[in-house]
Amino acid sequence: TAGITQAPTSQILAAGRSMTLRCTQDMRHNAMYWYRQDLGLGLRLIHYSNTAGTTGKGEVPDGYSVSRANTDDFPLTLASAVPSQTSVYFCASSPGPHTDTQYFGPGTRLTVL
Amino acid sequence: GQNIDQPTEMTATEGAIVQINCTYQTSGFNGLFWYQQHAGEAPTFLSYNVLDGLEEKGRFSSFLSRSKGYSYLLLKELQMKDSASYLCAGTDSNYQLIWGAGTKLIIKP
Repeated sequence: TAGITQAPTSQILAAGRSMTLRCTQDMRHNAMYWYRQDLGLGLRLIHYSNTAGTTGKGEVPDGYSVSRANTDDFPLTLASAVPSQTSVYFCASSPGPHTDTQYFGPGTRLTVL
Repeated sequence: GQNIDQPTEMTATEGAIVQINCTYQTSGFNGLFWYQQHAGEAPTFLSYNVLDGLEEKGRFSSFLSRSKGYSYLLLKELQMKDSASYLCAGTDSNYQLIWGAGTKLIIKP
């Protein structure tokens, strides 16, 4: 079982360019999340989706957008990347929202120059 | 405000016991998670405490005191593979997880 996958593994992106980070889970989990992890800081929630067709804003949503067209996929888009978006991005899923155990993908390391 | 505090780094010896503390201030508490994260990898679930007390799971145990806003993760019989960061997370009033910055545990032979 794949669990939760992310693509790409890493990416270098020029400032001002757009980018979509992909996330797919095969566990039929209702809830999905996008976090960023920066050195010295805890994981910070960017956006979440409690169920297919719905999304919500987390702690640091500015500059990012998401969609949840189906249960399995939860892509994260950076419309116009800035250097401060350099980070490691983790996608996660859980059977129910937030307080259920979350299962994380392997992460995408993004560098914006 | 909402805050999760844990030590930045701890060092322990192989075979010993270590306790990693976490204090939290959140406006809506619904439980406390501990995750393990090896360098360059994703966090993986260790434990979830909702009620006060100690929950044991093999070499790892987790404790919660709701009245004190305090939790700890206890690791026994430390092995080199336990070298990792340990993340504490609690829920806020919107039931979203608030994460601590993590405690990097270094195990020495």
